[in-house]
Amino acid sequence: QSVLTQPPSVSGAPGQRVTISCTGSSSNIGAGYDVHWYHQLPGTAPKLLIYGNSNRPSGVPDRFSGSKSGTSASLAITGLQAEDEADYYCQSYDSTLRKVFGGGTKLTVL
Amino acid sequence: QVQLVQSGSELRKPGASVKVSCKASGYTFTRNAMNWVRQAPGQGLEWMGWINTNTGKPTYGQGFTGRFVFSLDSPVRTAYLQISSLKAEDTAVYYCAREGGSYEFDYWGQGTLVTVSS
Repeated sequence: QSVLTQPPSVSGAPGQRVTISCTGSSSNIGAGYDVHWYHQLPGTAPKLLIYGNSNRPSGVPDRFSGSKSGTSASLAITGLQAEDEADYYCQSYDSTLRKVFGGGTKLTVL
Repeated sequence: QVQLVQSGSELRKPGASVKVSCKASGYTFTRNAMNWVRQAPGQGLEWMGWINTNTGKPTYGQGFTGRFVFSLDSPVRTAYLQISSLKAEDTAVYYCAREGGSYEFDYWGQGTLVTVSS
């Protein structure tokens, strides 16, 4: 069981908007630690998508956005495209467990 | 450009050991910590721990003490993960990942599949 909780799966049609939640606790997200997001295509390494709650690394489209409030964070993807189909993971720091990941969310583009 | 290149897939018998390498290029090696992440088949990402590339001091995550050792060869800009007394449940892809300024993992190696089977 992961310290950060994500829905196992989400889906959306091309062009739609989807969100993926990441719920933590007072020892990680709620303690003020940043949340980061990664996506992972099958058979490849994870890639940083959002860092510091809402910042996009160079080259990441502005269709991807992140937010954080209280003990939770969210990743939003607008204008869904077929190539967005992947696994998505949130990650933060926990004052007792050090760095922690969410269990991952599989995004299916219908 | 920043690159982390890991060693190739390994097949080991239970009880054996394995050493995975992660060679860094494109940045000053000692400026960023190096982390290790495990992904068992069909499972999510699991943080194993990190090594301070300045001091060589390793920090191990829960469940990764005893049989797991992180080390460095700084002159050749390489981090290592050694696993001893291998068990079938150690079968996984192991990633090295460079740490950025907010505990994020900004660059990842391509992963090394370690298979433990008799």
